[in-house]
Amino acid sequence: NAGVTQTPKFQVLKTGQSMTLQCAQDMNHNSMYWYRQDPGMGLRLIYYSASEGTTDKGEVPNGYNVSRLNKREFSLRLESAAPSQTSVYFCASRRQGNQPQHFGDGTRLSIL
Amino acid sequence: EDQVTQSPEALRLQEGESSSLNCSYTVSGLRGLFWYRQDPGKGPEFLFTLYSAGEEKEKERLKATLTKKESFLHITAPKPEDSATYLCAVQASEGGATNKLIFGTGTLLAVQP
Repeated sequence: NAGVTQTPKFQVLKTGQSMTLQCAQDMNHNSMYWYRQDPGMGLRLIYYSASEGTTDKGEVPNGYNVSRLNKREFSLRLESAAPSQTSVYFCASRRQGNQPQHFGDGTRLSIL
Repeated sequence: EDQVTQSPEALRLQEGESSSLNCSYTVSGLRGLFWYRQDPGKGPEFLFTLYSAGEEKEKERLKATLTKKESFLHITAPKPEDSATYLCAVQASEGGATNKLIFGTGTLLAVQP
């Protein structure tokens, strides 16, 4: 009963490096989301995909890109990492409508 | 602007000491209010969804209630394993197909034996 799986769990980058965070869900959900969580702030939406083949910007999209590879997978890419992108990144998915989102366990990313 | 405010930021209880967490919200139209539990190093775990004022949901020692302006998460006779951060999130009716959630910053609950 995997749910939402994120890889890697931890990563350290140097400023300017690039990397892709992976997310996969096995619940046949239509919508997928990427959030970042920083101390003292609520979860903030970076990008989302309402359905396979569509992606849209959230609240804090600058410096990120996403790809909805198929219905199961939604990746987040940092093209040129900056220290301000040090955070915990969560992927979530939802079947449809106003049903709850289900979250993975996050990727802890540090950028030096 | 849509907003969610949780209080208190942190709460320390003795085992068995009941209390409530508050989630106040300002949205143009509420499609749903969600409560999550988050343990250290883990992602948020879904607890409840409330859709309309007057609605209540219960699960073990937790009970969530909803009014037109706020939601309460009541914890009855808590145990140390209830220690976690509790997050509240709302979905506004103007979210449309995006189904976006607005999260509060959470209440960190510590239950001491």
